Amino acid sequence: DAGITQSPRHKVTETGTPVTLRCHQTENHRYMYWYRQDPGHGLRLIHYSYGVKDTDKGEVSDGYSVSRSKTEDFLLTLESATSSQTSVYFCAISRDSPADTQYFGPGTRLTVL
Amino acid sequence: GENVEQHPSTLSVQEGDSAVIKCTYSDSASNYFPWYKQELGKRPQLIIDIRSNVGEKKDQRIAVTLNKTAKHFSLHITETQPEDSAVYFCAALTGGGADGLTFGKGTHLIIQP
Repeated sequence: DAGITQSPRHKVTETGTPVTLRCHQTENHRYMYWYRQDPGHGLRLIHYSYGVKDTDKGEVSDGYSVSRSKTEDFLLTLESATSSQTSVYFCAISRDSPADTQYFGPGTRLTVL
Repeated sequence: GENVEQHPSTLSVQEGDSAVIKCTYSDSASNYFPWYKQELGKRPQLIIDIRSNVGEKKDQRIAVTLNKTAKHFSLHITETQPEDSAVYFCAALTGGGADGLTFGKGTHLIIQP
């Protein structure tokens, strides 16, 4: 597995609270992504980054924000968590382009009560 | 944006038989088509990919074919084994890559002993 870690791996929180998920890579890859995975929906792109401080929205970005202040870290923030954001969140990285192999992290299971 | 349809949602085959999973895409500008395998509770992992300048690619028991005219691509697994049991996802990347990968909803492949 590529050097990707996610923290926390599991989290239970309450509606309305802020939540931040962290993705850390040791591969020095340029691109980083956040996906969510829900039964019956496959994987859907939330946000992605193509360099430090360079980010863009994906298919399901409403309710989420991201930041990338260092090459190795990509943070996903839920400003005010809702039950519809209960999901498994995967971070992924690719070397220089979205068309390079995307390697996934181990995932974070988030439950919003 | 891109839309990827994947069929079937569940596929059960006898060990040793072949399995075929099919995907269609909507954006004719898409040019990169990876396939991911995900075992229960694990991260998705790339098993094979194909680019739009190639019609077929093979790696041991796994092959992928691409028909750009019809906008569909397929995963073929021959001589299936118990360890092939997993969920398989196809994906497509539009030419500009601005929207990241769009995934199909997945196929649960079951290998019957």
